[in-house]
Amino acid sequence: QITLKESGPTLVKPTQTLTLTCTFSGFSLSTSEVGVGWIRQPPGKALEWLTLIYWDDDKRYSPSLKSRLTITKDTSKNQVVLTLTNMDPVDTATYYCAHRRGGDYVFDYWGQGTLVTVSS
Amino acid sequence: DIQMTQSPSTLSASVGDRVTITCRASQSITSWLAWYQQKPGKAPKLLIYKASNLESGVPSRFSGSGSGTEFTLTISSLQPDDFATYYCQQYSSLWTFGQGTKVEIK
Repeated sequence: QITLKESGPTLVKPTQTLTLTCTFSGFSLSTSEVGVGWIRQPPGKALEWLTLIYWDDDKRYSPSLKSRLTITKDTSKNQVVLTLTNMDPVDTATYYCAHRRGGDYVFDYWGQGTLVTVSS
Repeated sequence: DIQMTQSPSTLSASVGDRVTITCRASQSITSWLAWYQQKPGKAPKLLIYKASNLESGVPSRFSGSGSGTEFTLTISSLQPDDFATYYCQQYSSLWTFGQGTKVEIK
């Protein structure tokens, strides 16, 4: 059974860097074609894809946030880490990590999400 | 960037109604389209992948169709558990979500 869980701060100050960790089980990020992505959702708004890391350490970033985002993985710990620099109140959102299925490439399993508020 | 536009933004319907939600892509995405259901405070749930493939465990009243730039999600007979927000997502080039369609009780 695949599970994912996000962890990290619930409150960050403007200009600070956000670091979130996705800890997963039930799959290996060394399996061909598998990936883990991050998606966020501001309160009352739509989903926004942020970034994804593949089994082979290839990475993809949202063009609008590319300069502020970094994604890394620790395969031995079954973790993926997201960093987002220069946080602003508009970055207040629930942040989800999700498993990207090999073969048909959809996000089939999601974490429960973690709400991050940006405020001084 | 590929933009995804859903319509309507809100839909009022009754239990038993047939419901259709439309999603348009700004350029062809062939069949690389998924549909998700999201309830308040919960993570999205995958319903349909590759435009028309029903995810395992999802009731057969849900169906998807389309290719290229025009796609639809149909719920053949709306059930109480189906009142939620639905998102389309393209995964032809990176990933982009539509703005969502909220299905409300009429």
